[in-house]
Amino acid sequence: AQTVTQSQPEMSVQEAETVTLSCTYDTSESDYYLFWYKQPPSRQMILVIRQEAYKQQNATENRFSVNFQKAAKSFSLKISDSQLGDAAMYFCAYRSQTSGSRLTFGEGTQLTVNP
Amino acid sequence: DTGVSQNPRHKITKRGQNVTFRCDPISEHNRLYWYRQTLGQGPEFLTYFQNEAQLEKSRLLSDRFSAERPKGSFSTLEIQRTEQGDSAMYLCASSGDRGTQYFGPGTRLLVL
Repeated sequence: AQTVTQSQPEMSVQEAETVTLSCTYDTSESDYYLFWYKQPPSRQMILVIRQEAYKQQNATENRFSVNFQKAAKSFSLKISDSQLGDAAMYFCAYRSQTSGSRLTFGEGTQLTVNP
Repeated sequence: DTGVSQNPRHKITKRGQNVTFRCDPISEHNRLYWYRQTLGQGPEFLTYFQNEAQLEKSRLLSDRFSAERPKGSFSTLEIQRTEQGDSAMYLCASSGDRGTQYFGPGTRLLVL
């Protein structure tokens, strides 16, 4: 079974600075997807960014980018120019390409943005 | 595209009662998922439908839980004989064939 680990329960960053959230995963599969979702307080889960394992190029969405290291099974999220609205719980998630459609989530990282 | 919707948003019930939640997916999505999220944790997968067929169920989905998607559109999740341990946020998500799942706002259940 796949597992996803987020080793940072809490992180904080100053507004306009850069922060990196860590995620590692364990799988024996070669085809899969990785995701970062954001969950603001009392609000719904929002997709931040998605990475296909077969793509070597790291995904980027505006201020959000990932560092995908397939051999190391690492998938970190970098948030540049942090804004107050980035404050949320961030979840890393794994989905197999071949064995089922479920998402397997990490425990989450609570990000605080200080003004 | 109005996104995934869930009703009710909040439900308080007494232990032993039955509850039913509804999820309306994004209209063009053929896949629908249910997850459960307890406070401070990541969501845990419960079950998954492709059209009206329930294709995958987690061990978390005990026999008190049942989910349906009768016409391949909306889905219901019923919990019978609720227990205090069922208190959680129940999340619904939908996706097309490309697989990115989009989540609804969730139904927060409190069992007293």
